[in-house]
Amino acid sequence: EPEVTQTPSHQVTQMGQEVILRCVPISNHLYFYWYRQILGQKVEFLVSFYNNEISEKSEIFDDQFSVERPDGSNFTLKIRSTKLEDSAMYFCASSHPGQGRAYEQYFGPGTRLTVT
Amino acid sequence: ELKVEQNPLFLSMQEGKNYTIYCNYSTTSDRLYWYRQDPGKSLESLFVLLSNGAVKQEGRLMASLDTKARLSTLHITAAVHDLSATYFCGETSGSRLTFGEGTQLTVNP
Repeated sequence: EPEVTQTPSHQVTQMGQEVILRCVPISNHLYFYWYRQILGQKVEFLVSFYNNEISEKSEIFDDQFSVERPDGSNFTLKIRSTKLEDSAMYFCASSHPGQGRAYEQYFGPGTRLTVT
Repeated sequence: ELKVEQNPLFLSMQEGKNYTIYCNYSTTSDRLYWYRQDPGKSLESLFVLLSNGAVKQEGRLMASLDTKARLSTLHITAAVHDLSATYFCGETSGSRLTFGEGTQLTVNP
């Protein structure tokens, strides 16, 4: 069964450094998303991406964040200058509105980001 | 702003018992989602409820949607230990999926 994959599974970085989190969505999906989950808290929406542009973004997704689909398969989240409070699990998700359960979002395994 | 409230947030139950998790949401969205998350793992889609009165069942879990009351329920029948996890409901507005706080379910032998 197709699945969303993410790399790396765990990233440790120093405050102020740039990080890029990578995702490979399910191949025929058209919508892509990033969410984050701070330890012990709920899952929060960051951004959605469709047709090579951002569809929606939350108030969390400030100028430090950017997303890109550099080729036909990868979807990346870049944090320009990491802060301690960026430490969280970051989930990528994808969906296809015309298939199966409408707009059901399939989540990847996550990247645990630790900022020291 | 979307607001999704679940209760209870913590639920400890014995094997074999029944219980219901409640999810109140804020908009007139007619799409409601239930996900399961095991500790340290990703979110697994359980149910997508698309219309008022929708009821879906999978094994010991049954989800329903009342769009007039803006309420969804996840009913657990004859709980088993394997159901121990955190359950999130969520609603969508546009492409944004907003989750509740989650209900941490522990099923004790």
